[in-house]
Amino acid sequence: DVQLVDSGGGLVQPGRSLRLSCTASGFTFGDFPMSWFRQAPGKGLEFVGYIRTKTYTETTEYAASVKGRFTISRDDSKSIAYLQMNSLETEDTAVYFCSRAHRISGDAFDIWGQGTMVTVSS
Amino acid sequence: EIVLTQSPGTLSLSPGERATLSCRASQSLSSGYFAWYQQKPGQAPRLLIYGASSRAIGIPDRFSGSGSGTDFTLIISRLEPEDFAVYYCQHYGDLLWTFGQGTKVEVK
Repeated sequence: DVQLVDSGGGLVQPGRSLRLSCTASGFTFGDFPMSWFRQAPGKGLEFVGYIRTKTYTETTEYAASVKGRFTISRDDSKSIAYLQMNSLETEDTAVYFCSRAHRISGDAFDIWGQGTMVTVSS
Repeated sequence: EIVLTQSPGTLSLSPGERATLSCRASQSLSSGYFAWYQQKPGQAPRLLIYGASSRAIGIPDRFSGSGSGTDFTLIISRLEPEDFAVYYCQHYGDLLWTFGQGTKVEVK
């Protein structure tokens, strides 16, 4: 089965760091760009960041709200994508989802993780 | 920055009825970079439509997408019980992904 499993969420104090993982199975991970999205409690979906494949030198894009604080990386040998979150703010509290770019339409996302909750609070 | 506005906010319908969901963009978009998702409570989003009108794998043909420029539409021809959910439109442009605020389709 094609699957993404999100992990690493939890309760963290403002200003601290957290690293999320997205473990893929059932497909050739290195062939697909990956993205992270988030959803604050009771709110809509928000783009966080995107990483291209090795073919495109794993370049990244970020939402303005997280640029300079969050970093996406990938380890194709382990089929894992990471979201390193530094200098966390209370506004970063959300469920974080990783997702796989659609093979045909690379701007849509056809496989999603189940999400992992990040709560930033003192 | 492109803003996507979905309407209505909530759509109250009965099973078997037709649902028409709208997404309006603040400026003209390339339809090739437009998608629709379904999300149920406690679940991840599910891709329904990409490229404005192409159904994703496994999506029933009662779901159809259309539109161009600033106006895009998702139609559910006959609502099934499992279709009651929140629907989001999404656009990619200028190296960013933008979502509408969502339309909730609820049981009347």
